Amino acid sequence: QQQVKQSPQSLIVQKGGIPIINCAYENTAFDYFPWYQQFPGKGPALLIAIRPDVSEKKEGRFTISFNKSAKQFSLHIMDSQPGDSATYFCAATSSYGKLTFGQGTILTVHP
Amino acid sequence: DAGVIQSPRHEVTEMGQEVTLRCKPISGHDYLFWYRQTMMRGLELLIYFNNNVPIDDSGMPEDRFSAKMPNASFSTLKIQPSEPRDSAVYFCASSPSARGSEQFFGPGTRLTVL
Repeated sequence: QQQVKQSPQSLIVQKGGIPIINCAYENTAFDYFPWYQQFPGKGPALLIAIRPDVSEKKEGRFTISFNKSAKQFSLHIMDSQPGDSATYFCAATSSYGKLTFGQGTILTVHP
Repeated sequence: DAGVIQSPRHEVTEMGQEVTLRCKPISGHDYLFWYRQTMMRGLELLIYFNNNVPIDDSGMPEDRFSAKMPNASFSTLKIQPSEPRDSAVYFCASSPSARGSEQFFGPGTRLTVL
């Protein structure tokens, strides 16, 4: 029940495409859903986060869509760029900031 | 602020040896987390501290692993004895508060146990 399932494992798009990464959870106590971005050789860094009282949050080219009834949320990257190539992790937490991470999606954006 | 600092950045050791990983969190952050990252298991939370007190160590794989936080600016993760299956990247992260707070990750320590 603590799992966060993420898909796909890897994703390849052309520059300007809109990659979409999906996550699903079971624990209804989760109330904070961040996405982290990780470049090779670096630690993960917070990209964008959402709470379940809103259905969408946008920051620049990054948008989170949240479906509370389906217990699913997704990350969309508009006008993707080669510099967006990284591993993306969805996560969820319900207490004390203890994050449960998805398995990660390796995104490659070709020029 | 320099961010979360971890040392060493790379560690290569032989099976059976003791390994100590070090972390300096961001000043003023009350929470400190230790994670392990592998291709097979992804990012796993090992243990976290609040105000230097261990709160949840349910992710520590076995008794060979131990973690301490003697003060607000320093934490260690020790593996004794080390085994090849402990090879992974170990991250330390800190957070200013509990729920809904961003966790700031360090650059990680890449551990290789031969």
